[in-house]
Amino acid sequence: AAGVIQSPRHLIKEKRETATLKCYPIPRHDTVYWYQQGPGQDPQFLISFYEKMQSDKGSIPDRFSAQQFSDYHSELNMSSLELGDSALYFCASSKRTGGGYGYTFGSGTRLTVV
Amino acid sequence: GEDVEQSLFLSVREGDSSVINCTYTDSSSTYLYWYKQEPGAGLQLLTYIFSNMDMKQDQRLTVLLNKKDKHLSLRIADTQTGDSAIYFCAESMKYSGGGADGLTFGKGTHLIIQP
Repeated sequence: AAGVIQSPRHLIKEKRETATLKCYPIPRHDTVYWYQQGPGQDPQFLISFYEKMQSDKGSIPDRFSAQQFSDYHSELNMSSLELGDSALYFCASSKRTGGGYGYTFGSGTRLTVV
Repeated sequence: GEDVEQSLFLSVREGDSSVINCTYTDSSSTYLYWYKQEPGAGLQLLTYIFSNMDMKQDQRLTVLLNKKDKHLSLRIADTQTGDSAIYFCAESMKYSGGGADGLTFGKGTHLIIQP
């Protein structure tokens, strides 16, 4: 079965650089979510999109922005990177009309800021 | 606000049952999930339960929900070495449109299997 695809798997950036992470949801899923998981931490919800509109907002820094495109893929843009942004970034997708069913995570992008 | 609590560690012998517990504070929680995370890997959805259910069973996994006490548990029968991982409990409120939204995770329980 198709899963949530994230790219790249690994990314190394320098401080103050910009990074873009991509997420391709499971086909027919209409909602994408972004999470940040620091080392040894639990995942923290950043932001979500439903039908290309921002749906819910968590602890996303102002330096980060995200959008969902017409093909339902989503991109997380991160600017002015700081050392503390080093983390695993997960995307998840679900079908909203299905409630909580199928809330599935991708394998994540490991971002290292040096 | 929302808060999800879990014990940090659980040690069990191979072949025994593991019971991982979770408490949450938000009575509006509608969906409750269990995820498994192996070292350096992603979050694998194990199972989920709606708040109007008491129990859900799926092969070796049994989820029990006590909504009155806001207590959720995951029982893994016949625990194997491959079950060694971090188990996260997560909750979500029902979005007005009918779906789940951003999850709130507990800190995760490290399940350690003894031979």
